[in-house]
Amino acid sequence: GAGVSQSPSNKVTEKGKDVELRCDPISGHTALYWYRQSLGQGLEFLIYFQGNSAPDKSGLPSDRFSAERTGGSVSTLTIQRTQQEDSAVYLCASSLAPKGTEAFFGQGTRLTVV
Amino acid sequence: SQQGEEDPQALSIQEGENATMNCSYKTSINNLQWYRQNSGRGLVHLILIRSNEREKHSGRLRVTLDTSKKSSSLLITASRAADTASYFCATGTQGGSEKLVFGKGTKLTVNP
Repeated sequence: GAGVSQSPSNKVTEKGKDVELRCDPISGHTALYWYRQSLGQGLEFLIYFQGNSAPDKSGLPSDRFSAERTGGSVSTLTIQRTQQEDSAVYLCASSLAPKGTEAFFGQGTRLTVV
Repeated sequence: SQQGEEDPQALSIQEGENATMNCSYKTSINNLQWYRQNSGRGLVHLILIRSNEREKHSGRLRVTLDTSKKSSSLLITASRAADTASYFCATGTQGGSEKLVFGKGTKLTVNP
């Protein structure tokens, strides 16, 4: 595709429910990142993929959070048993190669847990 | 934890003035990048400077890097109302993980 695509753009869910957030990176981009941004805050790193493997998942806040990437392309971030503090914008980015190249961001998924 | 820390946190200037934002970081880096974010959604890449470079220009943007002080600055000259946005620095660290680590950003307001 022309850019990084994230879906849904907005998601409202009830506390305790599971949610899946999807990211379609730019075709051919091997590196894929997930970040979380709370209102008015900076970007909090969650996980980084190189191809289908995740060399760095150090930013995942708890075991309720997981992510996978298949075929070196689409990635899904899953949050189980959502809590109100999970409410944030979840941003995905991809790049051609991890080192020294710009990252292209999607428009994010705004998650609201009520 | 955040690698880069921008300052000021917020900056308000008049159209036509220059805006300077600073970024400090903690560990050795391969490169430093600046991004812009409008309305709390996707970020747009502005400029990348490598650790062996000291200064880089792109249009009205000028970025400097001082690896001895572990700091960088972004200068926007002749600012316009459309430059109003949040600006973030991001570092790619040497060794270890390849992740990009972002600072907390500077919110720039350019008043017409």
